[in-house]
Amino acid sequence: EAQLVESGGGLVQPGGSLRLSCAASGFTFSGYAMSWVRQAPGKGLEWVSAISESGGRTYYADSVRGRFTISRDNSKNTLYLELNSLRAEDTAVYYCAKENCGGDCQSTTFDYWGQGTLVTVSS
Amino acid sequence: QSVLTQPPSVSAAPGQKVTISCSGSSSNIGNNYVSWYQQLPGTAPKLLIYDNNKRPSGIPDRFSGSKSGTSATLGITGLQTGDEADYCCGTWDSSLSTWVFGAGTKLTVL
Repeated sequence: EAQLVESGGGLVQPGGSLRLSCAASGFTFSGYAMSWVRQAPGKGLEWVSAISESGGRTYYADSVRGRFTISRDNSKNTLYLELNSLRAEDTAVYYCAKENCGGDCQSTTFDYWGQGTLVTVSS
Repeated sequence: QSVLTQPPSVSAAPGQKVTISCSGSSSNIGNNYVSWYQQLPGTAPKLLIYDNNKRPSGIPDRFSGSKSGTSATLGITGLQTGDEADYCCGTWDSSLSTWVFGAGTKLTVL
């Protein structure tokens, strides 16, 4: 069964940077698109960013475009999210999520989620 | 403000049935598949229903999903205290070109 384990969260000052990682196992990582989804305290889920199975295509929510960068290393079965110019409103638990498709098919859901890593932006 | 609209909370007694609604528009629910996620207190989301009405392996048939037009519904029968959780709908929005979610519905089993 697929497993996703996030790391890299922590407390950072406004304007600071952080790099999140997501280690994948139990499935062919290079065969699937992946996403980052966040959840602010007491709030609902918000999709942040996605990357194609090869890493050649990336997508971002308007709220993070230009500040966050998604990437992946298929040789290490690892997904990354670089967070720059952090703001208080970026405070959230960040989940990596496996999409149920890759290649020519269109993903329709997130079938596996990691346990999340908390990012707190505060002075 | 979530793109998909869900009731903040629902409640029912053990053994009873409950439904949770998710309302959207033609750019999301109306033309794309809907998923439902269960989030037990303090845990990550877990896929419950995908492609409107399909259950992943291991999800009991007490859980069901349906879609009509621009709305979707999650049904849970034979409620158990262990079903107390937040339930969230999600889909792709073709106009926004983003994944969108509801704010979640808190289920209380009285």
